[in-house]
Formats: sequence, structure tokens, C-alpha cells
Amino acid sequence: NAGVTQTPKFQVLKTGQSMTLQCAQDMNHEYMSWYRQDPGMGLRLIHYSVGAGITDQGEVPNGYNVSRSTTEDFPLRLLSAAPSQTSVYFCASRNYANEQFFGPGTRLTVL
Amino acid sequence: KNEVEQSPQNLTAQEGEFITINCSYSVGISALHWLQQHPGGGIVSLFMLSSGKKKHGRLIATINIQEKHSSLHITASHPRDSAVYICAVDFGNEKLTFGTGTRLTIIP
Repeated sequence: NAGVTQTPKFQVLKTGQSMTLQCAQDMNHEYMSWYRQDPGMGLRLIHYSVGAGITDQGEVPNGYNVSRSTTEDFPLRLLSAAPSQTSVYFCASRNYANEQFFGPGTRLTVL
Repeated sequence: KNEVEQSPQNLTAQEGEFITINCSYSVGISALHWLQQHPGGGIVSLFMLSSGKKKHGRLIATINIQEKHSSLHITASHPRDSAVYICAVDFGNEKLTFGTGTRLTIIP
């Protein structure tokens, strides 16, 4: 199994640009989530999904959209990038035993 | 408010020392996770606990539900243990609340 994969690893955007961070898992996990990690702060939940077709907001959802059309994929869209969205983004999935699996992260810089 | 606090924030020790990292939380939980993040790297799950104690190799995790406290211990520490260790708590709402992490440096 590849586990949880994320692309790209690094991205630089200009303010106002949009982009999609890709996340996929091949473990047939229903629960997937997106987090951002900022210096001096714990990971914060952006959006999550408990299964295909179902998404919900986390702690810091503003400026981000998600969709879950398949069990495998959970993309995160930045609608109009802002410097405050400079961060490291982690996608994660969870199995029925509540074990967590994280992707390698995407380091995003917004200029 | 559901809160998670870790201590210490930073810890430097000599190779071979016994390491303890602490995590305290504010209210009752359904599970607590210990995670490891190497510099520039991804996040790996080490343990998930809801009670008692778990051991994997040189790593031991304990949780005291009454005191709302968990510890991660590393025996015979090694430079490759240098990483950030993160405590994450499920307060029963299926979402994780994360501590800010403990940066561990093991000096040869």
C-alpha cells in the first residue's frame, strides 16, 4: 500500500491565485481530514469527511473548500490564496480502530 | 474548552538517557495519540491509548484517566530519536485536538 499520498510537496503561489492540494489513500478508509501546521501551534483541522459525499468544517475552514467524490481522494482547494495561508498542510486518514495515517505534507508559500 | 498541553516544549539529552514527555488535557477523552515528526518530515503515529500502558521497542506510553495525563517514555535514547513528539486527543467528537509538540534532541 502507498498509504496516504499528497501532491505537490512544495508550492509557491501569489496572492489571489487558486490551487488544489491533492490527497489520496489506498487503504479504503472512510474518514479523511486536512490539517494545517503553523510554527508554535498544534495542527489545526481545516475540513474533514466521514465518507464519500460527506464533508464538514473543522476549526479553520475559511478560504478552503473540499469535496469527496470517491473514498480514495480528498482534494483541498484554496479559492483565492492569501499570505495567511502560508503553512504546511497535512492530509490524514483513519481506520475503524481510530489509528491515524498522515501524508508527507505540502509546504505552501503565498507571496 | 477542550485543551491539550505538552511539556516540556524543548528537551535536550545525552544519548542513553531516559526521556519523559508529558501531555495533559482538560476534560474526559475517548482516545489519546502520540505522534512523531522528524525535521522536514511527515507525521507517524506511535501509539493510541484509551487506558493503561503500551510498549513498542524502547518506547512506552502511559495514560492516567483520573489525572487526565499521559506520558511518553523513551528508554536508552539514541540520536535517531531526535524529533518532535506530538500528543493528540480525541475528546469524543471524532476530531483530534493537538498539543504544540515537544522538540527532542539527543546528543551523541
